[in-house]
Amino acid sequence: DIQMTQSPSSLSASVGDRVSITCRASQTIATYLNWYQQKPGEAPKLLISAASNLQSGAPPRFSGSRSGTEFTLTVSSLQAEDSASYYCQQSYRSPYTFGQGTKVEIK
Amino acid sequence: QVQLQESGPGLVKPLQTLSLTCLVHGDSMTNTDYFWTWLRQPPGEGLEWIGYISHSGSAFYTPSLESRLSMSVDASRKSFSLTLKSVTAADTAVYYCARARVRAISCSLAGCERTNWFDPWGQGTLVTVSS
Repeated sequence: DIQMTQSPSSLSASVGDRVSITCRASQTIATYLNWYQQKPGEAPKLLISAASNLQSGAPPRFSGSRSGTEFTLTVSSLQAEDSASYYCQQSYRSPYTFGQGTKVEIK
Repeated sequence: QVQLQESGPGLVKPLQTLSLTCLVHGDSMTNTDYFWTWLRQPPGEGLEWIGYISHSGSAFYTPSLESRLSMSVDASRKSFSLTLKSVTAADTAVYYCARARVRAISCSLAGCERTNWFDPWGQGTLVTVSS
């Protein structure tokens, strides 16, 4: 199975901060990497597909990028409503695996 | 707007069978670009893809559950189902159904590798395995 390693596991930042979350794949997955946001008590919601395609309705302050097997989710200016857990998911090879998640808290 | 809704028992005894159904609203379930997906999340833990099924009934499962797992689809009833046999406490989780947008990456005689993303998701249903 392809292992997805996310870092950090949690972070605390202030409103307006630029925040980045990293996800590293154990092997090449090209650009087949998705990002999800999950707020407490809710189902995950797709934010970004194929490494950098922002989903319709997602705020433009979210962006995704890739460098080799390392992927980054960036929030350009953190807002209070961004308090959530974020998960990456590789969609290159079955079984489709997720990172362990990053919990983002607002200071 | 596509919406999915899981249903099923919240409590299952160990070694019994877990059965869940997902009702789909706002999608005919016949488009070959979409597969119908089950995922789960143990309390306080991360996400796990369980498997998915096409509208024609072709199913793909995660290897760790394959021996206990089956899925079915009924597009006429706008629903798909999951059955997991011989459950243990390790199967306690919130179970989600979701629609997967799929696209073939490469195909061979053995079949196609597909990329995917899961959107939207149902609200989830907690299943506890306990006597």
